[in-house]
Amino acid sequence: AQTVTQSQPEMSVQEAETVTLSCTYDTSESDYYLFWYKQPPSRQMILVIRQEAYKQQNATENRFSVNFQKAAKSFSLKISDSQLGDAAMYFCAYRSATGTASKLTFGTGTRLQVTL
Amino acid sequence: KAGVTQTPRYLIKTRGQQVTLSCSPISGHRSVSWYQQTPGQGLQFLFEYFSETQRNKGNFPGRFSGRQFSNSRSEMNVSTLELGDSALYLCASSAGSTLNYGYTFGSGTRLTVV
Repeated sequence: AQTVTQSQPEMSVQEAETVTLSCTYDTSESDYYLFWYKQPPSRQMILVIRQEAYKQQNATENRFSVNFQKAAKSFSLKISDSQLGDAAMYFCAYRSATGTASKLTFGTGTRLQVTL
Repeated sequence: KAGVTQTPRYLIKTRGQQVTLSCSPISGHRSVSWYQQTPGQGLQFLFEYFSETQRNKGNFPGRFSGRQFSNSRSEMNVSTLELGDSALYLCASSAGSTLNYGYTFGSGTRLTVV
């Protein structure tokens, strides 16, 4: 079974600074998808960024980028120019790309605080 | 377009009762997945429905069940509620027709069992 580990329960960053959230995963599969989701107090899980394992190029979405190291099974999220609205819980998630496996396996989350 | 709608937002039930939660996916999406979120266990996959058929199931007891209607709306039912069922229940919809699809989550139903 796949597992996802987020070793940082809480992180803090000053507004306009850069922060990196860590995520490692364990799988024996070669084809899969990785996601970062943001959950603000409104509770809705919002997709931040997605990475396909077969793509070597790291995904980027505006101020959000990932460092995907497939051999090391590492998938960190970098938030540049942090804003107050970035404060939330961030979850790393894994999904197999084989068959009809549509289940997301989540990490335990990292709570990000953004300070002035 | 409208997002994923979950009703109700909050629910308080007594131990032993049963409860039904509803999820309306994004128009055109045929897959609905359900997740349970608790402080202790985190986010856990319950099940997924695609075109009215359960396609995947997580490791939850049979008290947890679901169904999907022809309009893709899904309901989740929990019978004989236990205190440990108190959680945020999230549903996610997706097109589901290919492997490379994204998920859109609703805002969840907060269930409290007393």
